[in-house]
Amino acid sequence: GAGVSQSPRYKVAKRGQDVALRCDPISGHVSLFWYQQALGQGPEFLTYFQNEAQLDKSGLPSDRFFAERPEGSVSTLKIQRTQQEDSAVYLCASSFYRVPSSGNTIYFGEGSWLTVV
Amino acid sequence: DAKTTQPTSMDCAEGRAANLPCNHSTISGNEYVYWYRQIHSQGPQYIIHGLKNNETNEMASLIITEDRKSSTLILPHATLRDTAVYYCIVRVNPSGSARQLTFGSGTQLTVLP
Repeated sequence: GAGVSQSPRYKVAKRGQDVALRCDPISGHVSLFWYQQALGQGPEFLTYFQNEAQLDKSGLPSDRFFAERPEGSVSTLKIQRTQQEDSAVYLCASSFYRVPSSGNTIYFGEGSWLTVV
Repeated sequence: DAKTTQPTSMDCAEGRAANLPCNHSTISGNEYVYWYRQIHSQGPQYIIHGLKNNETNEMASLIITEDRKSSTLILPHATLRDTAVYYCIVRVNPSGSARQLTFGSGTQLTVLP
């Protein structure tokens, strides 16, 4: 498709279970972002990739959260030993690096809804 | 990135113009104003952005004051499908990198029939 694709759309995990969330960015987009959105809140930045390089992971809440983008396209966000406070929507976004004379628009996927029970 | 201030909620009658204000009094000269919206259960959707001039596209118009300390997003003919949370974000586009967006709480716009 033409947009950012995320899977699974919905995931229910038992506390302590590991989960993996996948993101397919828009073809050709160099930059990829992961955000976490708790119920009733705005999205919060988790991590940023430029191609396969993870340039910023300052938003990852704990060492249970890990993201990778080994070939510079598809990315996976992994959460180990999930806890109830991890329940949120996980949004992936991508953008095409361009010269700064024009805005560098970021496009979002529909999100993966994670519920930890 | 500069902080923005938006009203928590607004109502608008269907078919009328929706004017959503945003204050960004500490904006720097190289920061852009971006607007995104998020319809319930969907990811944020890009609407429009600008630096200093007013901008218009097929979705909306963006009016930025001359001192750039505030802006208004205008949906010229609001429909029920425009009901969403609208986020005003200011962001630098530095040379050689793409910066993440920092979302605030946004404005919940409700379009009423």
